[in-house]
Amino acid sequence: SQQGEEDPQALSIQEGENATMNCSYKTSINNLQWYRQNSGRGLVHLILIRSNEREKHSGRLRVTLDTSKKSSSLLITASRAADTASYFCATRFNNDMRFGAGTRLTVKP
Amino acid sequence: GAGVSQSPSNKVTEKGKDVELRCDPISGHTALYWYRQRLGQGLEFLIYFQGNSAPDKSGLPSDRFSAERTGESVSTLTIQRTQQEDSAVYLCASSPRGASAGGPPDTQYFGPGTRLTVL
Repeated sequence: SQQGEEDPQALSIQEGENATMNCSYKTSINNLQWYRQNSGRGLVHLILIRSNEREKHSGRLRVTLDTSKKSSSLLITASRAADTASYFCATRFNNDMRFGAGTRLTVKP
Repeated sequence: GAGVSQSPSNKVTEKGKDVELRCDPISGHTALYWYRQRLGQGLEFLIYFQGNSAPDKSGLPSDRFSAERTGESVSTLTIQRTQQEDSAVYLCASSPRGASAGGPPDTQYFGPGTRLTVL
């Protein structure tokens, strides 16, 4: 039931390094959202980018969107151990929210 | 089958009053989420119920917010002493299994939301 794919599936980096995660989707969208999820917990909204936007920043987060390629990327700069979590892109499809498969990010102190 | 339903669809209240919002999830869905969405913004996670586990309340913005769920059925979100900043659309979603360690979330099926306006 996933909307698309994300890569990599897992990413392990050292604290201070940058982390880049990619997401592809299949349908037309009005916006694309990135969420973080710590194991077994609720989803935390990180950033929303509209279909007419190409890039957006929020703190240490940078999101790009290429609607021609139906893809988005999330960059976390200067990563911290607390950034360890799973990251998902999501798009609204009719009245449902569909998620990508997610990237499991581990930031080692 | 029936989707997620929420009531009321609209609620206008005066500052300081308490409000109660209701969510009926899809039958058989073990996971239930409450979100808040301000105009033009993404969903803001509030609380997550998964089966009989202790709910994840980490998104509740203050102690004026609380939620309950009876088993795997109806949930109510209560906001006490409402403030104007509480004005938003409150969305409920359910999913078959919810979050699993290391795996992607199931598709979440959303209700139509309750639009809360605090005067």
